[in-house]
Amino acid sequence: QVQLQESGPGLVKPSGTLSLTCTVSGGSMNGYYWSWIRQPPGKGLEWIGYIYYSGSTNYNPSLKSRVTISVDTSKNQISLKLSSVTAADTAVYYCARGSGWYYYWGQGTLVTVSS
Amino acid sequence: EIVLTQSPGTLSLSPGERATLSCRASQSVSSNYLAWYRQKPGQAPRLLISGASSRATGIPDRFSGSGSGTDFTLTIGRLEPEDFAVYYCQQYGSSPYTFGQGTKLEIK
Repeated sequence: QVQLQESGPGLVKPSGTLSLTCTVSGGSMNGYYWSWIRQPPGKGLEWIGYIYYSGSTNYNPSLKSRVTISVDTSKNQISLKLSSVTAADTAVYYCARGSGWYYYWGQGTLVTVSS
Repeated sequence: EIVLTQSPGTLSLSPGERATLSCRASQSVSSNYLAWYRQKPGQAPRLLISGASSRATGIPDRFSGSGSGTDFTLTIGRLEPEDFAVYYCQQYGSSPYTFGQGTKLEIK
């Protein structure tokens, strides 16, 4: 059974960089796309972007200038970096397998942007 | 960017009743690449339907999806207690992929 687990700091200062890692277990990363999706508290879902296991990426234009998604198949991990964060970036961040529809999700991790 | 509008915002029904949720797109969804998810409080969304009408693995047949182009529907045949949650539609036919704002299905 494929499992995904997000990890990283739960608190980031304004103007700083949010950095999260998603560790994949129970299956290979090869041949799959891996995505990040976020959800502000009490609000809806926003697609951040995806990366193919080989490294090609596709980002949401609304975040493109600030976001970097990377993959390390040797560690079975994908990473998310979001720079110049503001309070509007406070959200639960999910990683998921796939580039379109998402069957496998992580449990999500709450990141709060605050000084 | 395709905007997805879900209606109603809140739907109040009783267990055993039938639920019909709507998702309307601002432009045609390519190849009917539309998915539906159910999200319970504190949990990640769970995939119900992909490709507008294909049930995901392990999803009971009381869930059905239909529609094409700009108008899509999720129907839940007989509501079980675990079905009272928030439902999202999502299009993945054109980037950026987008989600609807959600429909909350609550117990009447």
